[in-house]
Amino acid sequence: AQKVTQAQTEISVVEKEDVTLDCVYETRDTTYYLFWYKQPPSGELVFLIRRNSFDEQNEISGRYSWNFQKSTSSFNFTITASQVVDSAVYFCALSEASGAGSYQLTFGKGTKLSVIP
Amino acid sequence: EAGVTQSPTHLIKTRGQQVTLRCSPISGHTSVYWYQQALGLGLQFLLWYDEGEERNRGNFPPRFSGRQFPNYSSELNVNALELEDSALYLCASSFGTGAIDIQYFGAGTRLSVL
Repeated sequence: AQKVTQAQTEISVVEKEDVTLDCVYETRDTTYYLFWYKQPPSGELVFLIRRNSFDEQNEISGRYSWNFQKSTSSFNFTITASQVVDSAVYFCALSEASGAGSYQLTFGKGTKLSVIP
Repeated sequence: EAGVTQSPTHLIKTRGQQVTLRCSPISGHTSVYWYQQALGLGLQFLLWYDEGEERNRGNFPPRFSGRQFPNYSSELNVNALELEDSALYLCASSFGTGAIDIQYFGAGTRLSVL
């Protein structure tokens, strides 16, 4: 069965610090997709990135970067030079291409990030 | 282009009542997903509709049901409300039906059951 673990429940950092949010997943599929979403206080989940299981290249988008390592089943998310607007709950999610879960997203429990000015 | 819209934004009900939540997907999206986000339980998959059919449901009792209309909008119905149904209900839509497809979420309906 698919599972996503975000061990960090809450993280607080001071503005301009770098912060890494951890995500560890479990799946028996060889083809799967990993996602990160951001949930600000307004409640709406905002899509950040999708990564497929065959692409282990790290990705950078502005202050955001993602490190995908199949060997450790991890898909970590780093925010560089954090800002107050980054304060939110961040979710990592997994979907399996075999359709065993009918392509539904399995989410981790989320990490609440607070950036203190 | 409008995103996923959900109504109402907030609801207060009492135990035993019934509630209907509504969701309009992004234009062109045919799949609609419902998730429950209860305090301490994270995001749990509820239901998936595509082309008017229920394709899958999560581990929820039958009093959670829904439907998808010809215009791809969707309703989630919850009967015989219980206190533990208090949660944020999120709707998402996607263009396709595969694992690769990105689900885009609405802002949710916050349901409080007293």
